[in-house]
Amino acid sequence: NAGVTQTPKFQVLKTGQSMTLQCAQDMNHEYMSWYRQDPGMGLRLIHYSVGAGITDQGEVPNGYNVSRSTTEDFPLRLLSAAPSQTSVYFCASSTRTGLEAFFGQGTRLTVV
Amino acid sequence: DAKTTQPTSMDCAEGRAANLPCNHSTISGNEYVYWYRQIHSQGPQYIIHGLKNNETNEMASLIITEDRKSSTLILPHATLRDTAVYYCIVRVLSNDYKLSFGAGTTVTVRA
Repeated sequence: NAGVTQTPKFQVLKTGQSMTLQCAQDMNHEYMSWYRQDPGMGLRLIHYSVGAGITDQGEVPNGYNVSRSTTEDFPLRLLSAAPSQTSVYFCASSTRTGLEAFFGQGTRLTVV
Repeated sequence: DAKTTQPTSMDCAEGRAANLPCNHSTISGNEYVYWYRQIHSQGPQYIIHGLKNNETNEMASLIITEDRKSSTLILPHATLRDTAVYYCIVRVLSNDYKLSFGAGTTVTVRA
């Protein structure tokens, strides 16, 4: 059971480049979400999904797009990377009841 | 969701119990208390949750005061691997799923 898998683990982008952070879970969880964590700070919610085809914005959605075409996958897209998006990104999944969230190991993104 | 207040940091001796306090004075009757931790460079890990009764699992115990305005997470025998940031989160168990992480408590377990 792999749980929540994020790829890549590390990425360096130039300002203006685009990329997609991948997140996959094999637990058949309905809920998935993306968080970012800046140095010395707690996690902030970017976008979340309560099921395939349904997404919504979190606390800091600007500059990011998401889609949820399958239960398993929830990719996060940066359309035009900015240095302010340098952060560690975590994907999480949980069941409908939301009792316990499972987090991936994170993607460390640097935008130069 | 109710706001929580935790100490910024605390130290604990290896093998001793670690008691982590959390204040949530504005908690509503249908809000649960959750605890997560984040070991350096890893994703957060669920520890335990409760509504009003004390709870215990293989990782920790959660003590919630009778008025539910505060709680304490207890790590019964802290080890060096318990060094982490611990987050106390209060939220409603509803159909959407959002966790609001504050700054948490940085717990350092010393040998």
